[in-house]
Amino acid sequence: TQLLEQSPQFLSIQEGENLTVYCNSSSVFSSLQWYRQEPGEGPVLLVTVVTGGEVKKLKRLTFQFGDARKDSSLHITAAQPGDTGLYLCAGKETSGSRLTFGEGTQLTVNP
Amino acid sequence: DTAVSQTPKYLVTQMGNDKSIKCEQNLGHDTMYWYKQDSKKFLKIMFSYNNKELIINETVPNRFSPKSPDKAHLNLHINSLELGDSAVYFCASSPLASGELFFGEGSRLTVL
Repeated sequence: TQLLEQSPQFLSIQEGENLTVYCNSSSVFSSLQWYRQEPGEGPVLLVTVVTGGEVKKLKRLTFQFGDARKDSSLHITAAQPGDTGLYLCAGKETSGSRLTFGEGTQLTVNP
Repeated sequence: DTAVSQTPKYLVTQMGNDKSIKCEQNLGHDTMYWYKQDSKKFLKIMFSYNNKELIINETVPNRFSPKSPDKAHLNLHINSLELGDSAVYFCASSPLASGELFFGEGSRLTVL
């Protein structure tokens, strides 16, 4: 099984600040997904990145897939309390359809 | 309309009991999954079914038995529950090609 490491594990910031969450592996993935999970709910897909070097934007969220398809980052600009949640990256293995999840980053944005 | 629904949402039971969690999806997806999320929020796949056929079976105790009566349903039966089984269990579905997961709201199992 390919492993994914997320950092930081916990992040507490003030409203309006910027932040970056990292997702790293020594393995290559065919694609990488980012999910957000709120308390008492299941994870919800935010974005899928497929091509090495790809950058996708979703309002104030910017997702990047590393050139070698081994890592990814999520950057949030001007964070808001509504961004609070558990952010999970998940890589799809190059062989088969198995999806491996990172350990998650718990983000808290304080008003 | 709820896309992936699982019941019950909460389950509190004694050690040694047998319990089931049900899952249904109305998205027309071919693939369904069971994931376990532990107290540290780590999501680990347990089983995956494609069109009623088992395709992924991780190292899970054989006390856990999934059943898929049709491609829209995937149930999880757990025998002889242990304290370590306490967790949130998530059902998910995906269109096979993309592998993007649609999760249910989770079933929080507490074994006393």
